[in-house]
Amino acid sequence: DIQMTQSPSTLSASVGDRVTITCRASQSTSIWLAWYQQKPGKPPKALIYKASNLESGVPSRFSGSGSGTEFTLTINSLQPDDFATYYCQNYNGPFGQGTKVEIK
Amino acid sequence: EVQLVESGGGLVQPGGSLRLSCAGSGFTFRSSWMGWVRQAPGRGLEWVAKINPDGSEKYYGDSVEGRFTVSRDNPRNSLYLQVNSLREEDTAVYYCTRDQVWGQGTPLTVSS
Repeated sequence: DIQMTQSPSTLSASVGDRVTITCRASQSTSIWLAWYQQKPGKPPKALIYKASNLESGVPSRFSGSGSGTEFTLTINSLQPDDFATYYCQNYNGPFGQGTKVEIK
Repeated sequence: EVQLVESGGGLVQPGGSLRLSCAGSGFTFRSSWMGWVRQAPGRGLEWVAKINPDGSEKYYGDSVEGRFTVSRDNPRNSLYLQVNSLREEDTAVYYCTRDQVWGQGTPLTVSS
């Protein structure tokens, strides 16, 4: 079974910072990876599909990269609305443990 | 617009059973892989199950294998999750998913 490992688990940052979250798969997932943002009490919101494609309506400060076993989510110029928890997921399969982006 | 609406959650005693439902609209249900994901209070997301378009392939997470059963009724655009032998650690919000689209979730509490 594929295992997804996300790092860091918590990230403290300031508005305007560039932040990067890493997701590693225990075996190749090709480009079948999605990134989600979740805020308390809400279902996750999709940000990125197929590793690097921005979902419709998602701000361009979000970007995804990678293939195979190594993936990254980058947020350029962090905004107040971006403080949330982020998850990677192998399509229709396991999730990473999550990364909470907190205000520094 | 793609919409997924879950129902059927509630309070169940340990060892009990329940069937969760998901109604899909705004897309070709019979052509879509569908899935279930859950989230326990204060915890991360856990993939539960997935089913292929015609229902002939079903896959489960390790923690629910043998206790949960995913099924679908394509003419009714509906997805189901039969949850049996429930444990307190199954307490969670259960989400229906289709690709990156999620429903609002239905809460299931297992407690005596």
